[in-house]
Amino acid sequence: DTGVSQDPRHKITKRGQNVTFRCDPISEHNRLYWYRQTLGQGPEFLTYFQNEAQLEKSRLLSDRFSAERPKGSFSTLEIQRTEQGDSAMYLCASSDGDQPQHFGDGTRLSIL
Amino acid sequence: GQQLNQSPQSMFIQEGEDVSMNCTSSSIFNTWLWYKQEPGEGPVLLIALYKAGELTSNGRLTAQFGITRKDSFLNISASIPSDVGIYFCAGQDTGRRALTFGSGTRLQVQP
Repeated sequence: DTGVSQDPRHKITKRGQNVTFRCDPISEHNRLYWYRQTLGQGPEFLTYFQNEAQLEKSRLLSDRFSAERPKGSFSTLEIQRTEQGDSAMYLCASSDGDQPQHFGDGTRLSIL
Repeated sequence: GQQLNQSPQSMFIQEGEDVSMNCTSSSIFNTWLWYKQEPGEGPVLLIALYKAGELTSNGRLTAQFGITRKDSFLNISASIPSDVGIYFCAGQDTGRRALTFGSGTRLQVQP
């Protein structure tokens, strides 16, 4: 069990650029979740997949955000036309069905 | 929307002391979880609770699922320096997969 893996760990970009993050869940976990965490706060839910289907999206997930899990394994989260307010830690979690969610170490995004 | 109030916001204690923190909600959850997060890392699961009134231990950690299903507490006994971190409670609503997190309790332990 290698745990949830996220790449990159850090991303610095200029406002207006597009960024893409990758998450590899724990092997054979069928559910995958994305959260956003800002300084001093707990994680906030963005979206979740069961296998390749995206089943729930938060109102936090604006039109500039898109997530995919094409083969039901790894997932990508893309942010288009980044804004200052997008600066945060983006956390991925996975679970085996209804079992508790296990988190990766996140991608920290900084917008210049 | 649902909100979790976690208290205290921070604690500074001496090594060996016991610690207690709690979480209250404006609405009912069917699952409560406690996570610990250290700088630069993601939250790590400590304890999961599934039934009202349930009391569960994990080493020096003990957590309880409140009878009203609107609260939970976490106790740490005989604290040690490696207990330092931010402790988050999280609730999960029936039929939803998303977790709702509190804003965390920052624990510092003086050796």
